[in-house]
Amino acid sequence: AQSVTQPDIHITVSEGASLELRCNYSYGATPYLFWYVQSPGQGLQLLLKYFSGDTLVQGIKGFEAEFKRSQSSFNLRKPSVHWSDAAEYFCAVGSFNNAGNMLTFGGGTRLMVKP
Amino acid sequence: DAGVIQSPRHEVTEMGQEVTLRCKPISGHDYLFWYRQTMMRGLELLIYFNNNVPIDDSGMPEDRFSAKMPNASFSTLKIQPSEPRDSAVYFCASRLRGWTDTQYFGPGTRLTVL
Repeated sequence: AQSVTQPDIHITVSEGASLELRCNYSYGATPYLFWYVQSPGQGLQLLLKYFSGDTLVQGIKGFEAEFKRSQSSFNLRKPSVHWSDAAEYFCAVGSFNNAGNMLTFGGGTRLMVKP
Repeated sequence: DAGVIQSPRHEVTEMGQEVTLRCKPISGHDYLFWYRQTMMRGLELLIYFNNNVPIDDSGMPEDRFSAKMPNASFSTLKIQPSEPRDSAVYFCASRLRGWTDTQYFGPGTRLTVL
């Protein structure tokens, strides 16, 4: 069965600093990978997704992620963090099962931004 | 489009009462998903529908939970009877059609069972 691990539950960075959020997945076939962001009291919003092709994926709000098959990772990065980036970030892997297709989410990483 | 609409946004009820959560997916979307989010278990898929038909309900915790989608524009998640451990944020999401389409989430319903 597929699974997603986000090793860091909390991360604090200073505004303007660079950011990397880690995501490791377990899936037997070629994975379909996603990053979502959840602001307080809000639903999840898609930041970016990877299906195939270029392993460096650009997303909204200046985020990017790199798929590394050898490391089973799909880490999210941003070169300069803004205070408005404080939120919870979820990595997800898409999979097929006998009944169809669905997303499995990691446990999330809560990002705090220091002024 | 207004996005995925959920109601109510907050629900407080007493143990043993019936709770009904509602969702209106984005018009034209074929797939609808119900998720539950808790601190302990994170974000869990409860059930999803394709063209109003339940496809996978293996995530539904127990018989107290039921979900319906009587038409393409409306779905309900019902808990009867409710228990304090059902307290969580419940999200509805919809997706247009294929694998590469984005799954759009509603704002969630925060349920508190006293």
